[in-house]
Amino acid sequence: DQQVKQNSPSLSVQEGRISILNCDYTNSMFDYFLWYKKYPAEGPTFLISISSIKDKNEDGRFTVFLNKSAKHLSLHIVPSQPGDSAVYFCAASGGSNYKLTFGKGTLLTVNP
Amino acid sequence: NAGVTQTPKFRILKIGQSMTLQCTQDMNHNYMYWYRQDPGMGLKLIYYSVGAGITDKGEVPNGYNVSRSTTEDFPLRLELAAPSQTSVYFCASSPLGREGQPQHFGDGTRLSIL
Repeated sequence: DQQVKQNSPSLSVQEGRISILNCDYTNSMFDYFLWYKKYPAEGPTFLISISSIKDKNEDGRFTVFLNKSAKHLSLHIVPSQPGDSAVYFCAASGGSNYKLTFGKGTLLTVNP
Repeated sequence: NAGVTQTPKFRILKIGQSMTLQCTQDMNHNYMYWYRQDPGMGLKLIYYSVGAGITDKGEVPNGYNVSRSTTEDFPLRLELAAPSQTSVYFCASSPLGREGQPQHFGDGTRLSIL
């Protein structure tokens, strides 16, 4: 039973355009959400996070939106750059131990 | 600052062999984690530790063991390697298991069981 779902295995966008990566979750106990970025042969690196008490968090070109009623979050990258090409993982946690549950990832390709 | 260091980077094992995947962090983080990532899948938690001497099972602990004798080190042991354990293994650490303190990952160990 997948509690965190990234339904798009891949996404291709043009440089300078907006990239929108989506993530859905089923567990109502999740209250903290993160996005990680992963390049080949490297470990995931933290990108941005959002608490369930907020509906938006912004950091430079990256913005995460949370819709609790729909159990949906999205990552917006504006403008997209070729260096953003990577696999993006959505992750969620809830409760006191902060264990993360990951989605399967979305491969973003930004074309020059 | 090295962060989270995993060794080896690659390893091929025969069925039934055993090995230890090493993980060390130099950030004085209390929390440490082991994940595995199978092709096309997300990361799944194997074991985690909230401090030296304390470990607990994650989502997929069968076939693995861990120990945490120091804050810095969190080795993962495979006792009887099976083909189903072919995967990429990631170790991670965080200061406290708390919001605003994301996990930092090593670069992984790619393990093949033949």
